[in-house]
Amino acid sequence: SQTIHQWPATLVQPVGSPLSLECTVEGTSNPNLYWYRQAAGRGLQLLFYSVGIGQISSEVPQNLSASRPQDRQFILSSKKLLLSDSGFYLCAWSGGGMGSTEAFFGQGTRLTVV
Amino acid sequence: EDQVTQSPEALRLQEGESSSLNCSYTVSGLRGLFWYRQDPGKGPEFLFTLYSAGEEKEKERLKATLTKKESFLHITAPKPEDSATYLCAVQSYMDTGRRALTFGSGTRLQVQP
Repeated sequence: SQTIHQWPATLVQPVGSPLSLECTVEGTSNPNLYWYRQAAGRGLQLLFYSVGIGQISSEVPQNLSASRPQDRQFILSSKKLLLSDSGFYLCAWSGGGMGSTEAFFGQGTRLTVV
Repeated sequence: EDQVTQSPEALRLQEGESSSLNCSYTVSGLRGLFWYRQDPGKGPEFLFTLYSAGEEKEKERLKATLTKKESFLHITAPKPEDSATYLCAVQSYMDTGRRALTFGSGTRLQVQP
């Protein structure tokens, strides 16, 4: 069966510090991968998606970047965090090609920038 | 632009008191409508996918239905463990590449014993 791992679960970082959140998927190959952010009481906002290794598309201009160095690894990064980067970050995968369209989420990372 | 509106924002029920959550959507060609359950501090957990009007899916005390403009999540005789935020999302046929989901803001359900 497929599983998705996301870490860390919580993170407190000072303004101006770098960020690296990692997500890995097991039990599937060539998945679509996504980073979403969820503000309190709000829906999920798509930040980045990837349909393959090295292929990253950004949905919202911001202080963050994403990379996909391996087929089942997705990384969210920042060189210098802003207060506004605080939030709940979620990694997700879905089947690529003509496969299933539902997305499956990791457990999330609560990021607080202080 | 795809849009999803969920109502009510919050719902408090007594144990055993059945009710329904609403999800209204606007999408350029519905590829799928999805329901998720989210517990506090956790990632969303997939519940159902509905593809066409008239379709219904059930899981324990939950039943999801779909029309051309909205979906309902019916909760029959809820228990306190059903307390969670329920999220609705849509995917458009026009979005063939990224297959991302557009989410509503969710309904926060609290079931009291």
